[in-house]
Amino acid sequence: SQQGEEDPQALSIQEGENATMNCSYKTSINNLQWYRQNSGRGLVHLILIRSNEREKHSGRLRVTLDTSKKSSSLLITASRAADTASYFCATGTQGGSEKLVFGKGMKLTVNP
Amino acid sequence: KAGVTQTPRYLIKTRGQQVTLSCSPISGHRSVSWYQQTPGQGLQFLFEYFSETQRNKGNFPGRFSGRQFSNSRSEMNVSTLELGDSALYLCATRTSGSPGEQFFGPGTRLTVL
Repeated sequence: SQQGEEDPQALSIQEGENATMNCSYKTSINNLQWYRQNSGRGLVHLILIRSNEREKHSGRLRVTLDTSKKSSSLLITASRAADTASYFCATGTQGGSEKLVFGKGMKLTVNP
Repeated sequence: KAGVTQTPRYLIKTRGQQVTLSCSPISGHRSVSWYQQTPGQGLQFLFEYFSETQRNKGNFPGRFSGRQFSNSRSEMNVSTLELGDSALYLCATRTSGSPGEQFFGPGTRLTVL
């Protein structure tokens, strides 16, 4: 069953604009990760934020985590057509074993 | 460093048959997890192997099984295939026992007719 739920489910923007995706989850987590998937292919890891962190940056990506609200957001700045993909948030629970629980995903379309 | 490889990439089977999928992790990665992706259920965790031991298992019937070899390569097997088993099967590998980034393979697209 899904833990995370991305919002919105689909987003269409123009190149150069910023894209914001939100993720809500239900239980306590150890970390939250964002992945990108192009057209039914493998997932590519974008960024990981641990439960004791509030914000993290990586290039054009900015992730925030609010554990009190059980929510996270992913901001992609200055989007490019190549950013067109599905984006998933995934939560990792405590312990040595990493079982990622994924949201349903969000389809981002960046129009040139 | 070579990425995660999965074989075969595409597979067509009929109901009742069984299938074995293979995953070769990135060199040095000892943890291998398997996920099933379908349009209806999304991405769902199947199981994780670490040092040849199953450490975690998702909520799938016993028809789904797996194993890991001493070189960290992993296989998953689905017996008595059902139409609903049609999916993209992804494996993901990572380095150590602590949670972190997982590296996904391109997946095996299984179609059950």
